[in-house]
Amino acid sequence: DVKVTQSSRYLVKRTGEKVFLECVQDMDHENMFWYRQDPGLGLRLIYFSYDVKMKEKGDIPEGYSVSREKKERFSLILESASTNQTSMYLCASTTVQETQYFGPGTRLLVL
Amino acid sequence: LAKTTQPISMDSYEGQEVNITCSHNNIATNDYITWYQQFPSQGPRFIIQGYKTKVTNEVASLFIPADRKSSTLSLPRVSLSDTAVYYCLVGEWDTGRRALTFGSGTRLQVQP
Repeated sequence: DVKVTQSSRYLVKRTGEKVFLECVQDMDHENMFWYRQDPGLGLRLIYFSYDVKMKEKGDIPEGYSVSREKKERFSLILESASTNQTSMYLCASTTVQETQYFGPGTRLLVL
Repeated sequence: LAKTTQPISMDSYEGQEVNITCSHNNIATNDYITWYQQFPSQGPRFIIQGYKTKVTNEVASLFIPADRKSSTLSLPRVSLSDTAVYYCLVGEWDTGRRALTFGSGTRLQVQP
């Protein structure tokens, strides 16, 4: 079974803090994604990566950055957390035929 | 980029068959159609994937007409545990980069 893990299920941070969300997959997938999910807005793509050290902006990259130093690990960084970044963050990795496998999600609260 | 459209919500009763349709008018030749199920506070879970005609697995069937501008997820004999949000996903390429678009999701409520 494909396994995608995220570093935290729940996280509480203060405005202005730097926040790291980590995602690890064990299936040697090239493509990895970060989404955020908010009530009524569905899943929105923040960033994705199709190879080590490669990254592409998604639909809502503002306020976020990413890092892909190793194939299995894709990190999402909030340089200076703000309250409007309170959300559920979902990581996914993808097979060639675009079956996305999702992690359990990180629910981030920024106070 | 192609967009997908799904009904916002559906209601059903235990034991009934449920069909959820997704419209994707601009689907490209090499795109696959994938459906996911999501429970509250969990990541989406893969249900089924197809390219054309009909695909069936142990939990669902996927019907795709010849023009591929829509697809229908069919859940046979639903139970209370099938209450969830269902997403239609169409893989697409835009100028060489991969952009994946989720539909808005259909909230299925199964009543006893």
